[in-house]
Amino acid sequence: DGGITQSPKYLFRKEGQNVTLSCEQNLNHDAMYWYRQDPGQGLRLIYYSQIVNDFQKGDIAEGYSVSREKKESFPLTVTSAQKNPTAFYLCASSIVPARSGSSYNEQFFGPGTRLTVL
Amino acid sequence: GENVEQHPSTLSVQEGDSAVIKCTYSDSASNYFPWYKQELGKGPQLIIDIRSNVGEKKDQRIAVTLNKTAKHFSLHITETQPEDSAVYFCAAYLGTYKYIFGTGTRLKVLA
Repeated sequence: DGGITQSPKYLFRKEGQNVTLSCEQNLNHDAMYWYRQDPGQGLRLIYYSQIVNDFQKGDIAEGYSVSREKKESFPLTVTSAQKNPTAFYLCASSIVPARSGSSYNEQFFGPGTRLTVL
Repeated sequence: GENVEQHPSTLSVQEGDSAVIKCTYSDSASNYFPWYKQELGKGPQLIIDIRSNVGEKKDQRIAVTLNKTAKHFSLHITETQPEDSAVYFCAAYLGTYKYIFGTGTRLKVLA
């Protein structure tokens, strides 16, 4: 089956600890994204990557870091500098618009990871 | 700034009735508007989308309409069923990989 997987589904962290969320896709998509979802709010972009070894900050990148060493993988690290890390984190991927011939990029989402800081 | 307003935040309908969710966007350059359905504890799933050169699109019981002049678009679900109960999000594509999402509508279909 093609798709996006995120692990773990639930994650608990003590204050002051860094934690890494996994995101893997086998859709052969070039672009990958991390969003944060809080109750009553829309999805907010943390980071995105258009290609391997390259990534850009989104609207709320402070306290987060990412890497893109492989096309299939885009892990997100929530650092101790993130003041309010408890949230639902969503990973997504898409074809690069230029390659699809479209002027937009349809995103496909993973099942999410719920992070709780104790 | 750029934003997407979504209404209502909650919506309850009787099974078999129609449901309508409305979104208004601010950036006139937006050219693609997807709608997502999110079930509890899961990631959003694309259910329908519309591009700015189209006024309406329909897929079985689901339809989306777009009014570019007024900068709003709506999701219409007819003959609602209990399995339609979920949170629905609209979004507007701003280009350069950036989407702005609405705040979501929790739809409850009462049997």
